[in-house]
Amino acid sequence: DIQMTQSPSSLSASVGDRVTITCRASQSISSYLNWYQQKPGKAPKLLIYAASSLQSGVPSRFSGSGSGTDFTLTISSLQPEDFATYYCQQSYSTPIGFGPGTKVDIK
Amino acid sequence: EVQLVESGGGLVKPGGSLRLSCAASGFTFSSYSMNWVRQAPGKGLEWVSSISSSSSYIYYADSVKGRFTISRDNAKNSLYLQMNSLRAEDTAVYYCARGEYYYDSSGSEYNWFDPWGQGTLVTVSS
Repeated sequence: DIQMTQSPSSLSASVGDRVTITCRASQSISSYLNWYQQKPGKAPKLLIYAASSLQSGVPSRFSGSGSGTDFTLTISSLQPEDFATYYCQQSYSTPIGFGPGTKVDIK
Repeated sequence: EVQLVESGGGLVKPGGSLRLSCAASGFTFSSYSMNWVRQAPGKGLEWVSSISSSSSYIYYADSVKGRFTISRDNAKNSLYLQMNSLRAEDTAVYYCARGEYYYDSSGSEYNWFDPWGQGTLVTVSS
């Protein structure tokens, strides 16, 4: 099974900050990597698919990069509505795996 | 508007059974794979099961294999999860999610989950 890790597990940031979250796969998954945002009590929402493609309707301050084993989600200028938990997910093979999440809260 | 609405959650004793449903609307249900993902209280996301559009391909997480059965009724635009031999560790919010996909220029298929339903809570406790 492919194991997914994320760093950091949590971070505190201010509105306007540039935020970077890293996701690593235990083996190469090419670009089969997706990113989701989840707010408390809500369902996850797709942000990025295929490592770097921005989902329709998602603000352009979100971007994804990487391939192989190392991936990054970047928020260029953090907005109040971006405080949430972010998960990466590999779709390269079953069992489909999610990272443990990165919680972004207000500094 | 694409919508997924789960139902069927509740309180059940260890060893008991429960059947979850997911009603889909706003898209051609029979053209998409569907998935169940769960989230234990205060924990991360865990993929549970996937089913292809025609039910030809079905996959399970090891943690539920042999106890859970995924199925769908394309005529009723509905997805199901039959959960048997439930354990305390199955306590979670269960989400259904549509399987989206696209093919790049080399023919590689990429998949992701979008959208997700609002979830239904399953509590396994005596």
